[in-house]
Amino acid sequence: KAGVTQTPRYLIKTRGQQVTLSCSPISGHRSVSWYQQTPGQGLQFLFEYFSETQRNKGNFPGRFSGRQSSNSRSEMNVSTLELGDSALYLCASSLATGSGNSPLHFGNGTRLTVT
Amino acid sequence: GENVEQHPSTLSVQEGDSAVIKCTYSDSASNYFPWYKQELGKRPQLIIDIRSNVGEKKDQRIAVTLNKTAKHFSLHITETQPEDSAVYFCAATSGGSQGNLIFGKGTKLSVKP
Repeated sequence: KAGVTQTPRYLIKTRGQQVTLSCSPISGHRSVSWYQQTPGQGLQFLFEYFSETQRNKGNFPGRFSGRQSSNSRSEMNVSTLELGDSALYLCASSLATGSGNSPLHFGNGTRLTVT
Repeated sequence: GENVEQHPSTLSVQEGDSAVIKCTYSDSASNYFPWYKQELGKRPQLIIDIRSNVGEKKDQRIAVTLNKTAKHFSLHITETQPEDSAVYFCAATSGGSQGNLIFGKGTKLSVKP
């Protein structure tokens, strides 16, 4: 089975712009979670989607949003980019909703740099 | 909400020694505790996990212990090898099995040959 695929791998944007990141889960996985990884802060939970519905949301501003299509693919959008949004954005898929029910499988991430 | 603290932030050991990483959590409803290993430039990968109805789990050179009363769990790596060098993250579910995973800030393990 193919793993979790994230595109693009690298992005450079300017403050104030917006960006869209994409994630294709492992075939058969219906849950997609997004995490922000920064040095010193570890992995911080953004949100989880299951069957096209947002199931859980972390403590991030409304500039961060997401969606999931009927084929379970997910996109994450960040509007009005700030310098502090520079990070590695990781997508993870699992069979079922709720991380306690099935393990997370991570993609390689999208490295976003805001200048 | 759930808070996971992880110690130490960096750990350096000689090849062949043991390494121990400790985590504490705050949500008494947490019932699933995975550990992920992230090598430089790569994705985090699950190496071992434990559920709240088990006190200890072992897989070859790695083991995890859980103390629900004290709300802490630990990763033990024995006979460390240079390829064990990586960042290790502990995590706990927030609000039971239906919740999302909350991660600790990571431990950078260096194994010196």
